[in-house]
Amino acid sequence: DAKTTQPTSMDCAEGRAANLPCNHSTISGNEYVYWYRQIHSQGPQYIIHGLKNNETNEMASLIITEDRKSSTLILPHATLRDTAVYYCIVRVPSNQGGKLIFGQGTELSVKP
Amino acid sequence: DAGVIQSPRHEVTEMGQEVTLRCKPISGHNSLFWYRQTMMRGLELLIYFNNNVPIDDSGMPEDRFSAKMPNASFSTLKIQPSEPRDSAVYFCASTRQGGQTQYFGPGTRLLVL
Repeated sequence: DAKTTQPTSMDCAEGRAANLPCNHSTISGNEYVYWYRQIHSQGPQYIIHGLKNNETNEMASLIITEDRKSSTLILPHATLRDTAVYYCIVRVPSNQGGKLIFGQGTELSVKP
Repeated sequence: DAGVIQSPRHEVTEMGQEVTLRCKPISGHNSLFWYRQTMMRGLELLIYFNNNVPIDDSGMPEDRFSAKMPNASFSTLKIQPSEPRDSAVYFCASTRQGGQTQYFGPGTRLLVL
């Protein structure tokens, strides 16, 4: 699976948008971009995933560059409860044997 | 749905003892995954099952670790004998076969003294 590069940590003011970048320059054509987060002492939680097009759900938006070499997870109005480690993962679909391989992630701190 | 259920939530044992961790996946999910998380190594996939059959156990650290899934609603991860370096949080996750989203349990925090 392709590797990803994320900043180790980021801060965000409560109520503002949190933009978390991820580089995946070696991504293959059939690999998806996934985002999970892990709030302290809890199991990882799925946020969103995408292949080529931008995606939005009730939690976040995912912006993927046209060349697919990088992406940004956007939390539109960050709250204190969004403080967590955010993992960007690239993988082939599970029905093709793709596994989630977690890196070190970005530790997001949302501050009042 | 209750989500993925893991037990025990905390386990403290002495080196050399056998440890058994348990997982009940979400009903209807037929893929199950065991992960281990430590500060040094992060979150690692140990093994996963499809329809109760082990598919990939390449992440299992050594022969002291074994995992079983006797039926669709139950899996165990066993460590025998346990060692202090096995201290970690062990997560179980499940998904529908072919599903793209894994749902994680709350984890079991294991401390081997």
